[in-house]
Amino acid sequence: DTAVSQTPKYLVTQMGNDKSIKCEQNLGHDTMYWYKQDSKKFLKIMFSYNNKELIINETVPNRFSPKSPDKAHLNLHINSLELGDSAVYFCASSQRTDQETQYFGPGTRLLVL
Amino acid sequence: SQKIEQNSEALNIQEGKTATLTCNYTNYSPAYLQWYRQDPGRGPVFLLLIRENEKEKRKERLKVTFDTTLKQSLFHITASQPADSATYLCALRPYGNNRLAFGKGNQVVVIP
Repeated sequence: DTAVSQTPKYLVTQMGNDKSIKCEQNLGHDTMYWYKQDSKKFLKIMFSYNNKELIINETVPNRFSPKSPDKAHLNLHINSLELGDSAVYFCASSQRTDQETQYFGPGTRLLVL
Repeated sequence: SQKIEQNSEALNIQEGKTATLTCNYTNYSPAYLQWYRQDPGRGPVFLLLIRENEKEKRKERLKVTFDTTLKQSLFHITASQPADSATYLCALRPYGNNRLAFGKGNQVVVIP
C-alpha cells in the first residue's frame, strides 16, 4: 500500500564506493523527483523526470546519475562517494509536472565514512 | 539572493493553545505556497496550499494566510495536540519555474 517507496532505508559505505538508491511509486504519477536533505535540514531538489524524461537537473556533481526505466521508477546512482554526500535522500512524485502536491518517500539515510 | 526563512528555534506550546509559524521569503514571486509536515525519520507530508491571489485557507484545525505585500505566510494550528508535534516546512513555487523551493522547517513541540 506504500505510495512512494525507497530502498534501502539506511546506507553506510566507504568513501570512493559506488551505490544506488531505488524509488518506486504506485500512484500512477507521471513526474518523479530526487531531493537531498542535508544536516542543516534544507530540502533541495536534485532531479526531476516526467514520463522517463529528465526535466530538472540542478547543479549536482555528475557523480550523481538518475535513471528512470519507466514512469513508476526513478533510481539514483552515485559514483565515487564523498563525505559530503552524507545526507537523507528523498524521492517524491506528483501527478504531473505542474501538479502542486508532491508525495514523498520515507527517505534513504546515506552515511559516507 | 533568494531566501525562504523559518524560525530555527523550536516552538514549545501548551496543549489546547494555537501554534503560529512564520514563513518569510525574499526575491521570489510565488505562484503558490505550501506547508508540509515532517516527522522524525519520515518524508514530508503535504498539508495545505495557498495561491498568490488567496488570503486564507483552512483545513480542519489548520489555517494558512498569505500576504504577498509582506512576503509572508503564517501557519496556525488551533487547539494544538501532542500529536501535532513535528517539523513544519514551508515551500513555494515561483512563477515560470517548476521547482519547489523549501524552507528549513520549524519544529513544534506540544506539551501535554
